[in-house]
Amino acid sequence: GQQVMQIPQYQHVQEGEDFTTYCNSSTTLSNIQWYKQRPGGHPVFLIQLVKSGEVKKQKRLTFQFGEAKKNSSLHITATQTTDVGTYFCAGIRGSTLGRLYFGRGTQLTVWP
Amino acid sequence: DGGITQSPKYLFRKEGQNVTLSCEQNLNHDAMYWYRQDPGQGLRLIYYSQIVNDFQKGDIAEGYSVSREKKESFPLTVTSAQKNPTAFYLCASSYSLNQETQYFGPGTRLLVL
Repeated sequence: GQQVMQIPQYQHVQEGEDFTTYCNSSTTLSNIQWYKQRPGGHPVFLIQLVKSGEVKKQKRLTFQFGEAKKNSSLHITATQTTDVGTYFCAGIRGSTLGRLYFGRGTQLTVWP
Repeated sequence: DGGITQSPKYLFRKEGQNVTLSCEQNLNHDAMYWYRQDPGQGLRLIYYSQIVNDFQKGDIAEGYSVSREKKESFPLTVTSAQKNPTAFYLCASSYSLNQETQYFGPGTRLLVL
């Protein structure tokens, strides 16, 4: 079964609107990573969160790791057409060293 | 990202034939991975290798085989036993298996006719 759940599967927004994707695990994660895959491309690492309650920002992107280390979110403020792609979260479960479990991804479409 | 190559970019095979996908990295990474991507399925782990001459099955290893004879290379063979091999195959590597960022190659799109 799916170890890391990610929602929504698809999101369509108008350029300038905000976007959020959520990642949840039934078990505690030792860390969580976020990747972006452009259409026709391959996943590219964005960021890693390790600490409980951690918040990191990259320009218009804000990443959060929950206090219980079981959930995470990626928020994009004022989306642009360059944000189009699929965003994946990937977590390492506390009991299994090294295995990254990927969520199914959220495919973001931005209308100009 | 850079430093991992996969070939070919597109591959066509007839049903019942084995096919080997190449993955090479010059990043001096110990760990390497193979993923399969289907629409709406995200990334599913086929095999991974922590170090040379060692590899482990992932979540969907049936119908696939790998080898890790060199640190730089981790080829994946899609055998005739794989019932639905048409997919996008991604190779990745990381410094180590434990909690490390993975760097992906450009992928190979396999189409079995």
